[in-house]
Amino acid sequence: QKEVEQNSGPLSVPEGAIASLNCTYSDRGSQSFFWYRQYSGKSPELIMSIYSNGDKEDGRFTAQLNKASQYVSLLIRDSQPSDSATYLCAVGFGNEKLTFGTGTRLTIIP
Amino acid sequence: GAVVSQHPSWVICKSGTSVKIECRSLDFQATTMFWYRQFPKQSLMLMATSNEGSKATYEQGVEKDKFLINHASLTLSTLTVTSAHPEDSSFYICSAGPRLDEKLFFGSGTQLSVL
Repeated sequence: QKEVEQNSGPLSVPEGAIASLNCTYSDRGSQSFFWYRQYSGKSPELIMSIYSNGDKEDGRFTAQLNKASQYVSLLIRDSQPSDSATYLCAVGFGNEKLTFGTGTRLTIIP
Repeated sequence: GAVVSQHPSWVICKSGTSVKIECRSLDFQATTMFWYRQFPKQSLMLMATSNEGSKATYEQGVEKDKFLINHASLTLSTLTVTSAHPEDSSFYICSAGPRLDEKLFFGSGTQLSVL
């Protein structure tokens, strides 16, 4: 069974600092990786996708993928209080549905 | 980006009644859609996979006769909570994507409160 692991947190980060969120996955053949953000009482929204080893940057967000070590991370630079949310990691393999982690709750402290 | 529309956003019903929730893919065809349930401060829990033109696949522990899923077209899936009880009160969310292993887009969710 494919597994995606995330530290549930809460992870507290001072405003303006870098927030680092990590995710590990069990299936070495996984091919697609996604980060979702979910505010309390709202549904998840896609913020980053990554498919190749290395870094992918989008504004204040950077996704990092290391297939050899089977982890994917999300860095949030210049953290803002509005970044406080639960972040979900999702992993895809072949023609199968995405597997989601349980999420990491992030709190940005003003 | 792709859009998934979910209705209603919230519903209050009496115990014993049935509630139908709709999930539509607005700009792509979805042969597969997913239904989740989420209790306050808990993780997203996959309930079932909705397959167009065939029976839904339910996750372990989810009662298929209580949570009826119909996926009659490539753009619409419905979840009916039958004979709802207070313990069914939860946030229900659907998702879909153009491809099974690709990014998923989520509906806005339905908050169900059963009195």
